[in-house]
Amino acid sequence: KAGVTQTPRYLIKTRGQQVTLSCSPISGHRSVSWYQQTPGQGLQFLFEYFSETQRNKGNFPGRFSGRQFSNSRSEMNVSTLELGDSALYLCASSLLQAIAGELFFGEGSRLTVL
Amino acid sequence: GNSVTQMEGPVTLSEEAFLTINCTYTATGYPSLFWYVQYPGEGLQLLLKATKADDKGSNKGFEATYRKETTSFHLEKGSVQVSDSAVYFCALGRDTDKLIFGTGTRLQVFP
Repeated sequence: KAGVTQTPRYLIKTRGQQVTLSCSPISGHRSVSWYQQTPGQGLQFLFEYFSETQRNKGNFPGRFSGRQFSNSRSEMNVSTLELGDSALYLCASSLLQAIAGELFFGEGSRLTVL
Repeated sequence: GNSVTQMEGPVTLSEEAFLTINCTYTATGYPSLFWYVQYPGEGLQLLLKATKADDKGSNKGFEATYRKETTSFHLEKGSVQVSDSAVYFCALGRDTDKLIFGTGTRLQVFP
């Protein structure tokens, strides 16, 4: 059974640019969550999607957005990149909406903003 | 609000030593508690969980007991191996709410 797949694994952008990250969940999983991981802040919750609807949202500015498609694949977008957006972005999927914590993580997309 | 506090690392141990990583939480109601592990270059993996007070989660020789009276969920292992070197995250979650993670504790085990 394939795991959670994130693309691209590594990318470098410059300030002011935008970036789109992709996440393919485990087959059959309908919930996708996104987290930002940095050495100083640890894991910060960005948002969660379930059946194409945003169910929860963290405390990030509007430059961070996401969406989920009918096949449960998800994308997140960051516009007007800032140096502080450099981080590992982790996607996690889960089977059902109601099971908090049963998350399966991808390996992440490491974004460097220069 | 809900939060998780973990001991700062790195924790450095020799192989076969006893491991404890402290985790305390603040939450309303009765959250579920989790330990996740992140090996170098990989995403997080669920290590163990406990869903109610006095439950003990266990996996791969690791154990943690849900202590409501001390709001703690400390991770323990009797004899660590070099292969246990990783970052360990304590987390809590309730119902359909998001999972809240601690800042992580890096464990380094030397032969």
